[in-house]
Amino acid sequence: GNSVTQMEGPVTLSEEAFLTINCTYTATGYPSLFWYVQYPGEGLQLLLKATKADDKGSNKGFEATYRKETTSFHLEKGSVQVSDSAVYFCALSPGGGATNKLIFGTGTLLAVQP
Amino acid sequence: DAGVIQSPRHEVTEMGQEVTLRCKPISGHNSLFWYRQTMMRGLELLIYFNNNVPIDDSGMPEDRFSAKMPNASFSTLKIQPSEPRDSAVYFCASSKGQGVGETQYFGPGTRLLVL
Repeated sequence: GNSVTQMEGPVTLSEEAFLTINCTYTATGYPSLFWYVQYPGEGLQLLLKATKADDKGSNKGFEATYRKETTSFHLEKGSVQVSDSAVYFCALSPGGGATNKLIFGTGTLLAVQP
Repeated sequence: DAGVIQSPRHEVTEMGQEVTLRCKPISGHNSLFWYRQTMMRGLELLIYFNNNVPIDDSGMPEDRFSAKMPNASFSTLKIQPSEPRDSAVYFCASSKGQGVGETQYFGPGTRLLVL
């Protein structure tokens, strides 16, 4: 089956620290991979995505590389800011069919302290 | 451009009452998704439509839940009768197509509390 596993939170960092949030997946076929971010009281926003192996998605200083050999899509940022505090969701869209339905991980809460 | 619009933003009701959640997708988007978010189960896909036709409703919890999309610009999710365990945030999302890799755009959600 298809599933996504994220590291447990919360992750608490000081401003300007390096961020890694781990995400691994199980999928049949060739999925597309996404990171979404949810700020308090809001809906989810797409942060970045990658649609094939070795692709790197990037946005707002965040990056993630689609690693087929390790079935991973870890999120990184070199220097976090207080404004990055949010819940981050890793998700996949299963391959093998004409559908973009999403399967989400459990989410990782990031708290950045000044 | 307006994003996905959901109403109401908050709903408090009593057990046994009917609840209707509404969604207006982004204009020109052909696919619409309903998700439920709870602390215990995370984000779950309930149902999705393509060109107003339900494609996959395997996530709908039980017969108390029903969803319709009468036209390209409107969808409803109805719970009848509601129960306390239905308390959650319900999100609607839309996308231009349904191909793998197509981005979904989420609405702000409806926070439902069933007493």
